[in-house]
Amino acid sequence: QPALTQPRSMSGSPGQSVTISCTGTSSDVGGYNYVSWYQQHPGKAPKLIIYDVTQRPSGVPDRFSGSKSDNTASLTISGLLAEDEADYFCCSYAGTYLFVVFGGGTKLTVL
Amino acid sequence: QVQLQESGPGLVKPWETLSLTCTASGDSIGSSYWSWIRQFPGKRLEWIGYIDYSRRPIYNPSLNSRVTISIDTSKNQFSLNLSSMTDADTAVYFCARGGYSHRPDLWDYWGQGALVTVSP
Repeated sequence: QPALTQPRSMSGSPGQSVTISCTGTSSDVGGYNYVSWYQQHPGKAPKLIIYDVTQRPSGVPDRFSGSKSDNTASLTISGLLAEDEADYFCCSYAGTYLFVVFGGGTKLTVL
Repeated sequence: QVQLQESGPGLVKPWETLSLTCTASGDSIGSSYWSWIRQFPGKRLEWIGYIDYSRRPIYNPSLNSRVTISIDTSKNQFSLNLSSMTDADTAVYFCARGGYSHRPDLWDYWGQGALVTVSP
C-alpha cells in the first residue's frame, strides 16, 4: 500500500482547473516542507514538476502550482491542456530512516 | 544534457540476484546522488536506494538486507544488485540522478526504465 493517499483518477475539460490531493501523516507530509510532484506520461519516466511544496523547476509552466495544509499536499493544474493528461505522483521526505515515500498516483484525464 | 541508460537482464529466475547497471553521460558520476527507483505493474513507485559522491549508499529499510548499490567512476556507471528475487519484485527499474536543489530526494534526470520480470 502506498504511504501517501491520492485519488486514483480525476478528469477535467480543457481550460478548467483540477486539484489533486496527497494525504500523509505528521511523519512525512505534515512534518516537512519537502513535498514534490512528478508527472508521468505513458511509457516515459517521471518528470519533476513541483518541489518543496510550492517551487517549480525551470521550464515547468506556472499553470502548475502546489500547496500544503497540515498532512495534505495539493497539486493544482490550471488552464488544462490535452498534454496534461498523465499520471501524477506525490512524494514526501519522511526522515532519515524511511527517506522518501510516494503516493499511489492519480491518472488525470483531459476530456 | 544528462542522459542515463539502464542495462541488464529483462528476465530473472526466482531466488536469483538481479544486476542492473546505469551508465551516465553529460555528468560525472563522482558528483550528485544516484538513485534506483522501481515502478510496479499497478504503477506504484518505490525508492530502492541511492549512492552519493562519497560512495556512501543509503537503502530503503524494507530492502536493506537484499540490496547493494555501488559506483564505478572509471566507467561513469552505478549499479544495483537485488538478491533473492521473487515475483513481487517484477517491476520497471529506473535509475535517476538526485541532487536537484542539492537534495538527494529530488530527481531531475531519469533513465528510460528497464522492465524486469521474475519468472521460472
